[in-house]
Amino acid sequence: QKEVEQDPGPLSVPEGAIVSLNCTYSNSAFQYFMWYRQYSRKGPELLMYTYSSGNKEDGRFTAQVDKSSKYISLFIRDSQPSDSATYLCAMRGGGSNYKLTFGKGTLLTVNP
Amino acid sequence: NAGVMQNPRHLVRRRGQEARLRCSPMKGHSHVYWYRQLPEEGLKFMVYLQKENIIDESGMPKERFSAEFPKEGPSILRIQQVVRGDSAAYFCASSPPGTGVSDTQYFGPGTRLTVL
Repeated sequence: QKEVEQDPGPLSVPEGAIVSLNCTYSNSAFQYFMWYRQYSRKGPELLMYTYSSGNKEDGRFTAQVDKSSKYISLFIRDSQPSDSATYLCAMRGGGSNYKLTFGKGTLLTVNP
Repeated sequence: NAGVMQNPRHLVRRRGQEARLRCSPMKGHSHVYWYRQLPEEGLKFMVYLQKENIIDESGMPKERFSAEFPKEGPSILRIQQVVRGDSAAYFCASSPPGTGVSDTQYFGPGTRLTVL
């Protein structure tokens, strides 16, 4: 079983739709959870950073973490064509364990 | 404040040659990480360095790969005697000293290595 599982998609939605992306993980030591956005042939760009369970909202983006289910989600409201990219979940343990473990990424296309 | 810089952006090598990838972290960042992204695969951790120290190299292949982050100058990822399987995008990330949210890793644009 991989440490982090993420459905690679592709996911295609119309402009204005609500997008739900998610990852599951198996390592209960993970404490910090991130979502990165990666445009084609570019480096990953940090979108959201959360610690432990709960919700975090930033503009059109909401990140949810459910540690009891080992499940994290990213919601995008009022999706725009500029949101078309690959979304990567990433996570790491606590303390000095800085190594990030990534999902494979979900390719999202938002159609105008 | 310039972001993480990597060069070259594209590198072509023939089998058996050496590849040197450079990474300059963001200003004020003293931690550097290298990740590799193979086609159809997610980003995989390779190595974590601080100035003049390798902190965690658990993701580095045992042979042909080495990394350094000298007191002066960029971090270098070196691949000796490259093989076709080394073809990938190599990303460098940096973070400031500290823990928690302040240790967010910021990624560079990557170096795309092609081995002929």
